Amino acid sequence: GQNIDQPTEMTATEGAIVQINCTYQTSGFNGLFWYQQHAGEAPTFLSYNVLDGLEEKGRFSSFLSRSKGYSYLLLKELQMKDSASYLCAVRDGGGSYIPTFGRGTSLIVHP
Amino acid sequence: DGGITQSPKYLFRKEGQNVTLSCEQNLNHDAMYWYRQDPGQGLRLIYYSQIVNDFQKGDIAEGYSVSREKKESFPLTVTSAQKNPTAFYLCASSSERQSTDTQYFGPGTRLTVL
Repeated sequence: GQNIDQPTEMTATEGAIVQINCTYQTSGFNGLFWYQQHAGEAPTFLSYNVLDGLEEKGRFSSFLSRSKGYSYLLLKELQMKDSASYLCAVRDGGGSYIPTFGRGTSLIVHP
Repeated sequence: DGGITQSPKYLFRKEGQNVTLSCEQNLNHDAMYWYRQDPGQGLRLIYYSQIVNDFQKGDIAEGYSVSREKKESFPLTVTSAQKNPTAFYLCASSSERQSTDTQYFGPGTRLTVL
């Protein structure tokens, strides 16, 4: 089975930096995804990590350490529109392309 | 424009009635999925299909049924056997040709059973 853990809720100030952590325990590993989901809408893809290290994409970066079963999503220069749920999803090593999703972290950005 | 659509956006049904949720994609993706999302929970996999005329149960398939007669379409039926059907239902598709291929999600259907 798989166990994916993320904080339930975080708050941050507009213009600040926030780091959302995700830890996982899986039988094998074949990639980790981060999605953003605004309330009542579809999740949208943010990033994919399969090798250790940092992937930067504009204001968003994602980090992976496979040996620690750990990833984080870093959001810089926070904007009000970044208020959303952030979903961590992990593919195990069983050959399936289907990821397992964590419960999501609800981020609230306030002025 | 290519994409994945779900209809309707909101659906109300009486307890004991079956209801079918629509999902269509024109991305030429082989794989399609149905997820259920409840407050405070992640996405839970109901059914998935990796090829036409074939589908597999996910983690919470009881009380649901699907069909995959066409590559573009993957409707989900919520039957009266589903004990707690009120939820947000998300359909997704992916090509599954490379490990980097991600899932694309439809806008979702919010089902309320009265």
